[in-house]
Amino acid sequence: EAGVTQFPSHSVIEKGQTVTLRCDPISGHDNLYWYRRVMGKEIKFLLHFVKESKQDESGMPNNRFLAERTGGTYSTLKVQPAELEDSGVYFCASSLLDRGRYNEQFFGPGTRLTVL
Amino acid sequence: QQQVKQSPQSLIVQKGGIPIINCAYENTAFDYFPWYQQFPGKGPALLIAIRPDVSEKKEGRFTISFNKSAKQFSLHIMDSQPGDSATYFCAVWGSNYKLTFGKGTLLTVNP
Repeated sequence: EAGVTQFPSHSVIEKGQTVTLRCDPISGHDNLYWYRRVMGKEIKFLLHFVKESKQDESGMPNNRFLAERTGGTYSTLKVQPAELEDSGVYFCASSLLDRGRYNEQFFGPGTRLTVL
Repeated sequence: QQQVKQSPQSLIVQKGGIPIINCAYENTAFDYFPWYQQFPGKGPALLIAIRPDVSEKKEGRFTISFNKSAKQFSLHIMDSQPGDSATYFCAVWGSNYKLTFGKGTLLTVNP
């Protein structure tokens, strides 16, 4: 069974440009999460989808970040316009939906974003 | 405010040594404590996890020790191998359905 996939693996853009990251979760996983790790810091939660609905977007840094999950399948995270501090590795994770208990979150390999 | 404090930041041991990584948390509402292992170019992968109703959990060479009253938990790797060289993250999970991670520990096991 395929794991969580992310595209692209690397992206180098200039400040002010737009970048869109894509995540394909494991089939059947209704929970989808986005996390970000800035160099040397912790992996920080950005937002959580349950199917196509945003369950929690409390970790989104500001309104330059827009996440969508079309039809409850793949998700995109758009950064527009990108700033230097947006550089980092963006991870996507997915898990089964079972309210009230922890289900293992499976992580993708991440997208390394560099804003120059 | 960092909710999970992880130490050390990096750790170097010889093959066969027993590296220990520590984490402390603040919020008592958490009820699941996983450790993730990450190799270069890969995403974090669940290694071992513990619930707060037990004080220790062992899976192969990996052991979690949990101290609920001190709000601390640690990862021990017995008979460490060069293949264990990776970044290790502790995390906490609660009813808000999201993982909160520590900053990570870069472990190097020398041959």
